[in-house]
Amino acid sequence: QVQLQESGPGLVKPSETLSLTCTVSGASLRNIYWSWIRQPAGKGLEWVGRIYSSGSARYNPSLESRLTLSVDTSKNQFTLKLSSVTAADTAVYYCARDVSSGWGSWSDPWGQGIQVTVSS
Amino acid sequence: DIQVTQSPSSLSASVGDTVIISCRTSQGINRYLNWYQQKPGKAPKLLIYVASNLQSGVPSRFSGSGFETDFTLTISSLHPEDCASYYCQQSYGTPYTFGQGTKLEIK
Repeated sequence: QVQLQESGPGLVKPSETLSLTCTVSGASLRNIYWSWIRQPAGKGLEWVGRIYSSGSARYNPSLESRLTLSVDTSKNQFTLKLSSVTAADTAVYYCARDVSSGWGSWSDPWGQGIQVTVSS
Repeated sequence: DIQVTQSPSSLSASVGDTVIISCRTSQGINRYLNWYQQKPGKAPKLLIYVASNLQSGVPSRFSGSGFETDFTLTISSLHPEDCASYYCQQSYGTPYTFGQGTKLEIK
């Protein structure tokens, strides 16, 4: 079955760039949307953005100026880069596959999540 | 952005009860509404997509309904393992916003 696994540094210094990778197994990245969602400790879910296998991406406007999503179909991976991070970017970051139809999109399955802390 | 308001923020119910969680959107979204369950320390899990479609493997005691701006998730005959947080999400337009979540406690 399809499995996703986030990887990257768990600690990032303020003003630096957060970089995360999601590795997909059990499915090709082609012709599918892939998403990032984050969740600060004790809080709700925030949609970060999503990217199609062609590289076309949609971002949350609240993050758009600092966010870059990319995809590498040869490695079956997609990545998130968030620049100029602050403590407000501290969260568990999840990657997920987006199933899209004429009736909207839904995320399934999700990776286990990775805790990222922004601190000096 | 489409605002999603979920209620209640928390509730407590007994095994065997029926619980209803509501989700209201700031504009009509047809049936573009999903529901997720999240247990502590775990990733969210898809329960319902397109308002009322049960994801494969999800028990039939979970059901969803609604259209345009008002949606509900119903859990019939509550089981102890249903203790979790529940989130709705609209996928009518990006950003795909989530409700604030409902924390369900089993008495």
